[in-house]
Amino acid sequence: NAGVTQTPKFRILKIGQSMTLQCTQDMNHNYMYWYRQDPGMGLKLIYYSVGAGITDKGEVPNGYNVSRSTTEDFPLRLELAAPSQTSVYFCASSYLGPWEQYFGPGTRLTVT
Amino acid sequence: GDSVTQMEGPVTLSEEAFLTINCTYTATGYPSLFWYVQYPGEGLQLLLKATKADDKGSNKGFEATYRKETTSFHLEKGSVQVSDSAVYFCALSGVDGGSQGNLIFGKGTKLSVKP
Repeated sequence: NAGVTQTPKFRILKIGQSMTLQCTQDMNHNYMYWYRQDPGMGLKLIYYSVGAGITDKGEVPNGYNVSRSTTEDFPLRLELAAPSQTSVYFCASSYLGPWEQYFGPGTRLTVT
Repeated sequence: GDSVTQMEGPVTLSEEAFLTINCTYTATGYPSLFWYVQYPGEGLQLLLKATKADDKGSNKGFEATYRKETTSFHLEKGSVQVSDSAVYFCALSGVDGGSQGNLIFGKGTKLSVKP
């Protein structure tokens, strides 16, 4: 039982490039989330999903896209990367609602 | 909208000292409250939770009581250890409008415990 896994762990992008952050959970959780963590700013919700085929915007969705074709996977797509997207990105999942979320180890992204 | 305010860090303590990290919240309804902990280089882990007023959450020697009258959920531990060094986040389950059903996090408080 691996829990929530994220790849890659680190990535450096040039301005304007695109990439996909991968997230997979093996706990059969319905809910999945993407957060970004900026220094001293806590976590901000980017997108979330309540089940396969259903996604919704969080607090800071601009510049990102998501899809949820299976229960296990919830990839986050960055189009046209900008320096403001330099951050640590966390994926999380939960079984019923937001109560106890299980977090992945994070992806540290730098856009230069 | 819903929000969480927690004391700013960093907090530096000696081993076996008493710890308090303050957390207050603003919410129009009756949220559930949480403390998450983030150890260096790792993702967040749920430390404890409380789902209604006067509930006390506890885990690993940490405690927090849901105080509706003061809208607070302060984290306490009687005797900290070096291994408690981490960033602690207070959070609530959103009940207001766009945040409904999601977690709202405070900015985090970094704790360093010296031997």
